[in-house]
Amino acid sequence: GAGVSQTPSNKVTEKGKYVELRCDPISGHTALYWYRQSLGQGPEFLIYFQGTGAADDSGLPNDRFFAVRPEGSVSTLKIQRTERGDSAVYLCASSLTSSYNEQFFGPGTRLTVL
Amino acid sequence: AQSVAQPEDQVNVAEGNPLTVKCTYSVSGNPYLFWYVQYPNRGLQFLLKYITGDNLVKGSYGFEAEFNKSQTSFHLKKPSALVSDSALYFCAVRDDTGGFKTIFGAGTRLFVKA
Repeated sequence: GAGVSQTPSNKVTEKGKYVELRCDPISGHTALYWYRQSLGQGPEFLIYFQGTGAADDSGLPNDRFFAVRPEGSVSTLKIQRTERGDSAVYLCASSLTSSYNEQFFGPGTRLTVL
Repeated sequence: AQSVAQPEDQVNVAEGNPLTVKCTYSVSGNPYLFWYVQYPNRGLQFLLKYITGDNLVKGSYGFEAEFNKSQTSFHLKKPSALVSDSALYFCAVRDDTGGFKTIFGAGTRLFVKA
């Protein structure tokens, strides 16, 4: 079956611009996670959704970052006034339930802020 | 606060030899522990997990890991390495105190030489 998909695969933008990154989870997965992975590091937790609500957004670095999941399926990560330090691979993952199920990861969106 | 340490940036092993990739963790409550693998140009894939029960867990592709509570470790092992095992391995942890954040280690690159 279809796995987690993310679009675009690559995004190049200029400092100060607004970007949106999309995640399509596996059908039926109620839990959805966003991570950021910088070169040479492991994924860094950003936000977790259970259904439509953000159950834990403690990993969002500042108020320029925001994510939504209005119908409990597709999620969009939004970054305002992008900075060069936002350049990274943004990963999305989904799972069946929240607590101890393994996560299924998408291929990521590589964001480059010039 | 939760944390994960993977003390080796890189592990080199000859094909056919046993391999170990080390992981230690720190959590507030009881840990849920995971290993993921990242092949070149592919997304993170789940290998195995420890939730409760038997300390030795078996996973995909012949990998296994041993949970050691006293040493707070969850080392990944395989009795006989294959060249195709060469990849980037991540240890991850979350706890059972109700939070949803999953913390990943920095990763260990495994090179298996023919």
